[in-house]
Amino acid sequence: DTGVSQDPRHKITKRGQNVTFRCDPISEHNRLYWYRQTLGQGPEFLTYFQNEAQLEKSRLLSDRFSAERPKGSFSTLEIQRTEQGDSAMYLCASSFPRGVINEQFFGPGTRLTVL
Amino acid sequence: QKEVEQNSGPLSVPEGAIASLNCTYSDRGSQSFFWYRQYSGKSPELIMSIYSNGDKEDGRFTAQLNKASQYVSLLIRDSQPSDSATYLCAVTDFNKFYFGSGTKLNVKP
Repeated sequence: DTGVSQDPRHKITKRGQNVTFRCDPISEHNRLYWYRQTLGQGPEFLTYFQNEAQLEKSRLLSDRFSAERPKGSFSTLEIQRTEQGDSAMYLCASSFPRGVINEQFFGPGTRLTVL
Repeated sequence: QKEVEQNSGPLSVPEGAIASLNCTYSDRGSQSFFWYRQYSGKSPELIMSIYSNGDKEDGRFTAQLNKASQYVSLLIRDSQPSDSATYLCAVTDFNKFYFGSGTKLNVKP
């Protein structure tokens, strides 16, 4: 059973550069979520997809952030013109809701450091 | 803003003791409730889910839900040093998930 995978696991970039992260969900899962987590905090919701449709995006999310899930399988998260405040762990999770059951499983995360 | 509140800890318990972790949430429309364990530098791992009032047991873990009081708890029996981690409470309205900031648990040998 293959879990959620993310690539890269670590990314170091200079301020102002663009970065792109990839997430491959569990194969039968139709929902995919992106979160950001900083030290001492819980995961903060960024956006989520059901199949290829992006259903919601956090109002706190800058226009520099964009996400896609073009074929309803893998997803990418792009951050343009990175800032030092973007340094965080970016987590992807997937789920397959059935009634009230909507268990979400996380990938290993991508740790971003903006210098 | 839907809020999930947890005591940040650290909660220290001796090995073999029961650890009790608590969580309150603000949205009465919350449908499902989860506990995740997160080791330092790692991603959250789902350990328990609960959907209806009462207790749910899985091995050494028991989740308790009281929707009237908007309260979820996690009991860890026979705590082991390997249980030392941050425990995140999460609730969902079926669409989005809302996480607390976690309680750090230290189990001392």
